Parts: sequence; structure tokens; C-alpha cells
Amino acid sequence: SQQGEEDPQALSIQEGENATMNCSYKTSINNLQWYRQNSGRGLVHLILIRSNEREKHSGRLRVTLDTSKKSSSLLITASRAADTASYFCATISGAGSYQLTFGKGTKLSVIP
Amino acid sequence: GAGVSQSPSNKVTEKGKDVELRCDPISGHTALYWYRQSLGQGLEFLIYFQGNSAPDKSGLPSDRFSAERTGGSVSTLTIQRTQQEDSAVYLCASTHTWGRDEQFFGPGTRLTVL
Repeated sequence: SQQGEEDPQALSIQEGENATMNCSYKTSINNLQWYRQNSGRGLVHLILIRSNEREKHSGRLRVTLDTSKKSSSLLITASRAADTASYFCATISGAGSYQLTFGKGTKLSVIP
Repeated sequence: GAGVSQSPSNKVTEKGKDVELRCDPISGHTALYWYRQSLGQGLEFLIYFQGNSAPDKSGLPSDRFSAERTGGSVSTLTIQRTQQEDSAVYLCASTHTWGRDEQFFGPGTRLTVL
């Protein structure tokens, strides 16, 4: 079953602009992770934010987490054509959990 | 190895045939996960291994699906009597220990059942 729901489903921006993707989830979580997928194949881990954290940065990525609203956002600053990919949020919930529950993803297109 | 590897990268089979998909996790990773990505269902968890044991098989969609892991390393996902709805990309991931950290994914096997 899907836990996260990304918004928007698709996003098209010009190179150099910022891209913001949102994710909402339903149950309480241990952590939330963002992954990138190119061409429908392997996923690459981008960033993990734990339930007791509110914001995290990694290079051009900024992730926020609002557990009261059960939502997270991923901001990519100064986007590049190489950022074109699908982006998924994934959550791990509950004691003893190990499986990632993924949202449906946001397809980002960065136009050169 | 440097990363998780999966084979074959693509598999086309006829309905009713059995298929085996292989995953080689990162060396030293004790936890291994299988996921399936299809157009209609998105990314779904199938099964996970801690060492050679699979504590939770509840994600497997039917009894035609089985998986094993030997020597705490390579895992094989077997689909018997394949159906067209089994067509999907099958992704494998591994982590150093069981838990809640980032998972390292392989490139996937694209299965097409004709």
C-alpha cells in the first residue's frame, strides 16, 4: 500500500530554477527518505530525515519534515538538466520496521 | 562488489513459464530487500532477508512467488507460472544491518511476460 503521496505528479522547470516537491504520509514514521530514479531503473538515495529532525541539507538539496502535518518537502536549488528524474519519498514506520513504503513519485523535467 | 548487482537486466518470458531473478548485495550487507515497481501499483515491498532468513513474506503477491538467500549473500526471487500482471521492474536493495537506514538499490530486472 502507498504511504506517501507526492505532489505534484509532474514538474517542468528551466535550468537554474528551484524545484520543490512535497510528500504527505498517513501513519507516524521513524524516518522519511527521498530517492531519485533515472529512466525507471535503480533508485539512488538522496537524503534521510529522522522523525525528530525538522530540516536537513545536503549540497543543493534541502528537506523539511513536519510531523504534525505528516508532510515533507524536497527543495532542489539551482536545478540542472542532470536533475531530470523521478523523485520518491519513502517512509519507515513502526517499531521493528524495515521496509520502505514509497509514494508514487514526482517526475521532474529540467529544461536546459 | 561496489554496489548491488542484479541479473538479468531484462527478461522476456512467455506466460506460464518460471523465471529466476538474481540479486548480489553489497559485500558485508546482512539485510536484503526485494521490491517491485509496476505502472499500476508503484513501488511495492515484497520480502526482506536478515541473513538467510526471511522473517516477513507477507509482501509476496501470491504463492507463485518465492525467494531464498544462501550464504548470507546472493538472493534469488523465483516466479512460477508467470502471468502478464507479473510484468514489472524487480528491484533489490541491501543495507549493512537490519534497520531504518538508507537502502542501496540495484539497477533492477525488467520482466516482461508475453
